[in-house]
Amino acid sequence: QVQLQESGPGLVKPSETLSLTCTVSGGSINNYHWSWIRQPPGKGLEWIGYIYYNGSTNYNPSLKSRVTISVDTSKNQFSLKLSSVTAADTAVYYCARGQRGMPQWGQGTLVTVSS
Amino acid sequence: DVVMTQSPLSLPVTLGQPASISCRSSQSLVYSDGDTYLNWFQQRPGQSPRRLIYKVSDRDSGVPDRFSGSGSGTDFTLKISRVEAEDVGVYYCMQGTHWPLTFGGGTKVEIK
Repeated sequence: QVQLQESGPGLVKPSETLSLTCTVSGGSINNYHWSWIRQPPGKGLEWIGYIYYNGSTNYNPSLKSRVTISVDTSKNQFSLKLSSVTAADTAVYYCARGQRGMPQWGQGTLVTVSS
Repeated sequence: DVVMTQSPLSLPVTLGQPASISCRSSQSLVYSDGDTYLNWFQQRPGQSPRRLIYKVSDRDSGVPDRFSGSGSGTDFTLKISRVEAEDVGVYYCMQGTHWPLTFGGGTKVEIK
């Protein structure tokens, strides 16, 4: 069974770049799509984007100008960068396997944007 | 963007009784390949979401058969035949047909 684990700073200053990595274990990152989803405290879920193992991406237009998702198949990892963050980007960030439906999710990591 | 509207917002249920959650989409979720990419997720308190149902009615591995999904086009339903204590949490529908992917606002299931 594939397992996913998010990692990265839990606190980011406003206007800086949020950077998270998702490490995939128990299976290969190859031949699958990998997604990022976020959930502000006490609120619902928002899809951020996905990457295919070959590097092709699809982003939510609401975040597209600030988002970059990349993949490192040699490390079995994929990453999220979100630039120019504000308090509105404070959320639990989840990585997940899948494109049109996500059967496996990481445990999530809380990122707080604050000075 | 496709708007996913869930009802009710909150669903108090007696243990052992059935529960039903509605999800309506602002556009048809039938994809060009003929499939309908409507998913249901369960999020227990303090946990990450867990997919229960995909493509309207297919149950994920390990999901109890008391959970069932139905519907077509723009109108979908998740049913729990007999609610158990472990079913407490928030349930979300999510469409995977149109970009960007969008989620419903969630339905909180609690025990009366």
